[in-house]
Amino acid sequence: DIQMTQSPSSLSASVGDRVTITCRASQSISNYLNWYQQKPGKAPKLLIYAASSLQGGVPSRFSGSGSGTDFTLTISSLQPEDFATYYCHQTYSPPYTFGQGTKLEIK
Amino acid sequence: QVQLVQSGPEGKKPGSSVKVSCKASGGTFSSNAFSWVRQAPGQGLEWMGGIIAEFGTVKYAQKFQGRVTITADESTSTAYMEVSSLRSDDTAVYYCARGALDGFDSWGQGTLVTVSS
Repeated sequence: DIQMTQSPSSLSASVGDRVTITCRASQSISNYLNWYQQKPGKAPKLLIYAASSLQGGVPSRFSGSGSGTDFTLTISSLQPEDFATYYCHQTYSPPYTFGQGTKLEIK
Repeated sequence: QVQLVQSGPEGKKPGSSVKVSCKASGGTFSSNAFSWVRQAPGQGLEWMGGIIAEFGTVKYAQKFQGRVTITADESTSTAYMEVSSLRSDDTAVYYCARGALDGFDSWGQGTLVTVSS
């Protein structure tokens, strides 16, 4: 199975900050990497697919980059509604494993 | 955009089985792939398995092989996930999701399954 490792596990930041979350795969997954946002009690929401493609309706302050084994999710200017947990997810090979999550909290 | 609506919460005894449904609307059911993802209380997301509706092809995570059955009924546009031999650590919210290589772009609202004696 492909292991997905996110860092950091938690992060405190302020409104307006630029934030970067990283995700590393245990083997190359090309660009089959997706990012989700999840708020408490809600289903995950797809933000970025294929490493860098913005899902429709997602604000442009979210961006993704990377290929192979190393990926990043960047939020250019944090908004109050962005405080949530973020997951990376590989769809290169089943089982389609998720990272352990990064909880983004208000400083 | 496909909408997914799941069945309601379930309370089960250890050793029993549970079957969760996921009804799709707003698209062509057979052209989709559906996955099941679970989330234990306070934990992360765990992919259990998925089905390509048109072909009925199913893949399972090895952890769930033999204990989980995923099916799809085109006539009712509904996907199903059954877990047998339930244990207390199967207590979780179970989500269905649509999608495959380009991520899971539609999710059900989640079904809480509580396993307790």
